[in-house]
Amino acid sequence: GAVVSQHPSWVICKSGTSVKIECRSLDFQATTMFWYRQFPKQSLMLMATSNEGSKATYEQGVEKDKFLINHASLTLSTLTVTSAHPEDSSFYICSPAASGKNEQFFGPGTRLTVL
Amino acid sequence: GQNIDQPTEMTATEGAIVQINCTYQTSGFNGLFWYQQHAGEAPTFLSYNVLDGLEEKGRFSSFLSRSKGYSYLLLKELQMKDSASYLCAVRGGSYIPTFGRGTSLIVHP
Repeated sequence: GAVVSQHPSWVICKSGTSVKIECRSLDFQATTMFWYRQFPKQSLMLMATSNEGSKATYEQGVEKDKFLINHASLTLSTLTVTSAHPEDSSFYICSPAASGKNEQFFGPGTRLTVL
Repeated sequence: GQNIDQPTEMTATEGAIVQINCTYQTSGFNGLFWYQQHAGEAPTFLSYNVLDGLEEKGRFSSFLSRSKGYSYLLLKELQMKDSASYLCAVRGGSYIPTFGRGTSLIVHP
């Protein structure tokens, strides 16, 4: 399978601060990046889809000004949670995809806890 | 839109066989995935089906019937480490996978 890394693996922050999560696809070029979040005992919910070099497309109910996504290269995408609040506490998972590949792999996830 | 349904929880005995079903309704279809997710970890890929039939990979097999909007994941020779959540995900016309709520499988001795 593909090698995908996320950093940090976990983070605790105060309410009102911003947190940046990095996702790297280490062994293939990710033309598309999916960002998901998962609340306890729930499934993965797609937040946004980004294509390299383009603006991200956000799912309904996800604030684009709060969750800033950058996909500047084929191997790196970042998700910044701005002015985080306790309700943003969740497990954030990136999923890079490459053209022509049927499999979809996931990063190890970042657990965000906002106090 | 897409609607994916799978049982919330199942239990089985070590060494046994278990079948986890998934039914779906989707606009367009470009494949169905099964993932395994242990608590606190990201999902790991198990299988991908885009044509009808059974795909076998070791102890795990996945079946798809597109006309019935139905898939199942079959786990043989269950081991304690197979206790996890199993996610069914369908890729529709937009090529973006949508995930079911997952089936929590508990394997007991």
